[in-house]
Amino acid sequence: EIVLTQSPGTLSLSPGERATLSCRASQSVSSSYLAWYQQKPGQAPRLLIYGASSRATGIPDRFSGSGSGTDFTLTISRLEPEDFAVYYCQQYGSSPRWTFGQGTKVEIK
Amino acid sequence: EVQLVESGGGLVQPGGSLRLSCAASGFTVSSNYMSWVRQAPGKGLEWVSVIYSGGSTYYADSVKGRFTISRHNSKNTLYLQMNSLRAEDTAVYYCARGGFVTAPGAFDIWGQGTMVTVSS
Repeated sequence: EIVLTQSPGTLSLSPGERATLSCRASQSVSSSYLAWYQQKPGQAPRLLIYGASSRATGIPDRFSGSGSGTDFTLTISRLEPEDFAVYYCQQYGSSPRWTFGQGTKVEIK
Repeated sequence: EVQLVESGGGLVQPGGSLRLSCAASGFTVSSNYMSWVRQAPGKGLEWVSVIYSGGSTYYADSVKGRFTISRHNSKNTLYLQMNSLRAEDTAVYYCARGGFVTAPGAFDIWGQGTMVTVSS
C-alpha cells in the first residue's frame, strides 16, 4: 500500500505570500495519477490539479503542481483570502485503489 | 448543471444498516466510474468503494464484506448499502465522479456529503 505523507501539517502565511506544499509517497507513483484537492470547512473537496501538473477546469493559474516519482509539490504563487483551506494530495494505483495524504492546513498568519 | 446530491445519512446503532443514495444530474452515472469517499469528524479523506462503468466493484479493506456499492441506471443514481455498522464508520460520506476523461485517476465532481453517525 502506498502511503502519502504531506508536509508541513500547518502552514501559516499572509495573503500575497507564496505557499509550497509537499506530498511524499512511500513508493513511486505514476505522475499521471497524482492529484491535489482543496477543502474548506463544511464543504466537499474540490479538484485543483490532476496528472501532477494539470489544472482542473476553472482553477486559477496561481495554483501549480509539479513533481515525479515519490516527491510532488503544490505551489500557490500568491495567496488570496479564499485560498486559506486544507489541501490533500491523492494517488490512484493498485489496491487500495485511491489513497489520500493526511492534509496540509494553510492558515492566515 | 453537473452535480451530485447525496441523501440517506443519519443516526444508526452499532450493528445496524443504512443505505446512502447519490443522485446525479448533467451526466450519466453508468458511463463513468463512481466512488464513495468518507471523512471522519476532524480527520482526512478515506476512499471507500468504486463501481466502474462495466460494473466491477472494489472496496477498501476497512469496509469489505460489510458495504455494497451499486447503481440504478434508469434513476441515474449511485448507492452505498452499509451493513454491520461500527462506531468507526461515523463520517461524512461523499459520492464522487471519476474523471476518466477529464482528469484521469482523480475525482472531478463531488457531492455535498451526507453524515452517518453510528452510536448507541
